[in-house]
This record gives sequence, structure tokens and C-alpha cells, in this order.
Amino acid sequence: GQNIDQPTEMTATEGAIVQINCTYQTSGFNGLFWYQQHAGEAPTFLSYNVLDGLEEKGRFSSFLSRSKGYSYLLLKELQMKDSASYLCAVTRRGSYQLTFGKGTKLSVIP
Amino acid sequence: DGGITQSPKYLFRKEGQNVTLSCEQNLNHDAMYWYRQDPGQGLRLIYYSQIVNDFQKGDIAEGYSVSREKKESFPLTVTSAQKNPTAFYLCASSIRGSGSSDTQYFGPGTRLTVL
Repeated sequence: GQNIDQPTEMTATEGAIVQINCTYQTSGFNGLFWYQQHAGEAPTFLSYNVLDGLEEKGRFSSFLSRSKGYSYLLLKELQMKDSASYLCAVTRRGSYQLTFGKGTKLSVIP
Repeated sequence: DGGITQSPKYLFRKEGQNVTLSCEQNLNHDAMYWYRQDPGQGLRLIYYSQIVNDFQKGDIAEGYSVSREKKESFPLTVTSAQKNPTAFYLCASSIRGSGSSDTQYFGPGTRLTVL
């Protein structure tokens, strides 16, 4: 079976740093995706982690610990446009299928 | 410009009517997917297709049907058998659909409201 947990909502201040956590219990786990979704729009791909460690892409970084079943997305120098939902999704070995968490709605305030 | 298009963005239908949502991609991707998104829920897979003329049920296929007659197109029909059809429907595609590292790219979505 699969279980993916993310906080429902978070609030952070413009210019600050925020960490959005995702924990999973997935048999045959292979990798983890992060997507950003603005309200009423399509999810857009942010990152994919399959190995342990931190992957950095500009203001966004994503971390994975396979042994702990844990990932986080780190957003630095927050901007108002970062207000969105952030979706964590896992894949299993040999499977095409993405299984999504319920998403974390981030509100960035001035 | 390469991408995935879905039309229309908003769709209203009366209860008991079938409705077909379109999804087209010009990315030359082999695999295409349909998801449903409800408030407070994660995206849930309805159907997917790895190749033309072949498709598989996802987690919530009941009350839906699909076809894949062309590589570029993967329409979804919401039938009258679907008990709660009002939702945001998202189409996605990926290059191969056969590997677990295959990134899926999403279309803009269609918001269906059944009155």
C-alpha cells in the first residue's frame, strides 16, 4: 500500500525560507516528484529525487532520505508568486504510475 | 510551441448526459494520462495509455471511458454512470510511460460542473 502525508497549509513571509515536508510509506519505492500548482491551473514539474541527498535548482531545493521515507522542498527568498499548492508524488519500481499526496497550500504574505 | 491542450476550460452539463473532454499533445510523447482533482484530495488516476490503441484503468475508472486512436489525442468521456462527475480534470503526458522516472507534464485542465 501507499501513504503520503504533507501539511495541509503553511504561511510564510516574503523574502523568508520555507520547508515543506512530505513523508511516505510506499512498498517498492523508487523516486519522488515535487510539483507546483497555482489555483485553477496545471501542476508544473519542480524536481525529481531518486537518490538520497539534496538537489538544488535556483531558489528551490529538494531533499530525499530513502531510509526515513522523507522528503522536503525548500523555497528560499520567497516571492508572492510562490503562493501555490505544492504536490508531492511518489513512484514505485517498474511502474509508470504517480501517487500524489493531498498537497500543501503555501501562502506568502508581505 | 510544444504542449498539451485541453478544451474547454469550463464545461457545464446536465445530470444524466455524457460529456467528452479533449486532450491533445504535440510533444511526441507515447504515454498519456487522465487525472481527477477534488478539493482537499490528491490527484487520482482515471485512465492511462502507453501506446496508440491501448489503455489501462487507473484507480477510479468507473463511470469513465477513453480512446487512443492517435498518438496526439486521448479524449475522456464522463458517462452518466459516474456518480460525482463535478471535478477538475487534468490530462498529462510523458515520453515513454514505462519507467518510474518518467516525468509527467500536465495540460491546463477542464473544470466540469454537472448541474
